[in-house]
Amino acid sequence: DVKVTQSSRYLVKRTGEKVFLECVQDMDHENMFWYRQDPGLGLRLIYFSYDVKMKEKGDIPEGYSVSREKKERFSLILESASTNQTSMYLCASSGPGRGNTEAFFGQGTRLTVV
Amino acid sequence: AQTVTQSQPEMSVQEAETVTLSCTYDTSESNYYLFWYKQPPSRQMILVIRQEAYKQQNATENRFSVNFQKAAKSFSLKISDSQLGDTAMYFCAFMITSGTYKYIFGTGTRLKVLA
Repeated sequence: DVKVTQSSRYLVKRTGEKVFLECVQDMDHENMFWYRQDPGLGLRLIYFSYDVKMKEKGDIPEGYSVSREKKERFSLILESASTNQTSMYLCASSGPGRGNTEAFFGQGTRLTVV
Repeated sequence: AQTVTQSQPEMSVQEAETVTLSCTYDTSESNYYLFWYKQPPSRQMILVIRQEAYKQQNATENRFSVNFQKAAKSFSLKISDSQLGDTAMYFCAFMITSGTYKYIFGTGTRLKVLA
């Protein structure tokens, strides 16, 4: 079974803190994604990566950065957390290429910024 | 830009009955995949069913089936013989098969199956 594991299920951080959300997948997938889930807004893509050290901005990258130093790990970084970044964060992976189209999701990290 | 629209924020259905969730999308691409994902309360998102745009035949997975109307850009999910375990958020999603393989999701439909 494919496993996508997010480092924390729940996280509470203070405004202005630098926050790291970690995601690890064990299926050698090329593609990895970070989404933000908010009620009524669905899943919105923050960043994605299609190879090590490669990244592309999604629809809402402001206030976030990412790092992919190894194929299995994709980190989301909140440079200076703000209360409007309180949300559920979902990591997903897929690949390789066109042959495997299913995205596999982690369990989510519910981040609260106070 | 590609968009996915789910116009039903919430729905309910009696156990053992049939329910249809709607989804429309917009794209100028000709090759893509469509998906329905399920997110049970406090649990992981999982794939329910997928459809390749070049296939005319509607996909079916046990009690789950889709009605794919490519010209109308419509992709609805039908759940037959609804079960309590079908209670979840359902997301329609779209992925083009050229360039990067990113997924675009709708806003979701919260489905409640009533005993």
